[in-house]
Amino acid sequence: DGGITQSPKYLFRKEGQNVTLSCEQNLNHDAMYWYRQDPGQGLRLIYYSQIVNDFQKGDIAEGYSVSREKKESFPLTVTSAQKNPTAFYLCASTIGFRLMNTEAFFGQGTRLTVV
Amino acid sequence: DQQVKQNSPSLSVQEGRISILNCDYTNSMFDYFLWYKKYPAEGPTFLISISSIKDKNEDGRFTVFLNKSAKHLSLHIVPSQPGDSAVYFCAARDDYKLSFGAGTTVTVRA
Repeated sequence: DGGITQSPKYLFRKEGQNVTLSCEQNLNHDAMYWYRQDPGQGLRLIYYSQIVNDFQKGDIAEGYSVSREKKESFPLTVTSAQKNPTAFYLCASTIGFRLMNTEAFFGQGTRLTVV
Repeated sequence: DQQVKQNSPSLSVQEGRISILNCDYTNSMFDYFLWYKKYPAEGPTFLISISSIKDKNEDGRFTVFLNKSAKHLSLHIVPSQPGDSAVYFCAARDDYKLSFGAGTTVTVRA
């Protein structure tokens, strides 16, 4: 079955540590995205990537970094510079950039908690 | 600055009745609109979408209406079922980016 896999489902981080969230898709989608969800707020865009080896900052990129070395993979690193990292993180992909009438497919999410 | 707004954080409806979810947006460059459904601790799943060149799209029990002049979007669910209880997000696309509203939690009462 095609889809997006995020791992781990739950992640605990000590303050000052960097952690990396995994996102893998086998949908052959070109574009991939990272969103963050906080209680009472919508999904906010952290980073997105149109193609391999290219990515752009979204609305709340500070304290995060990404890489896109393979089409299937778009890992997100939450660095110690992110002041409030506790949140639910969602990875998504779309078949192509700027194509009409295509929805984003989402992974199951990673709940990150700073302890 | 939030470009997509869902002003009703929650909605309670009786089973069998209509659920109406509303969404307002400010960016006139949005060309495609979507509704997603989300259960706790899961990723959102796509429900229905509408292009900016249309004013209505229907799929089974779900109908989305778009009023471009008012920059307003609505989702109608008829009839509402217990399985519809979830958080619903409105989303809008501007070129490369999907912007989401804060969500409306729908509870369907038996």
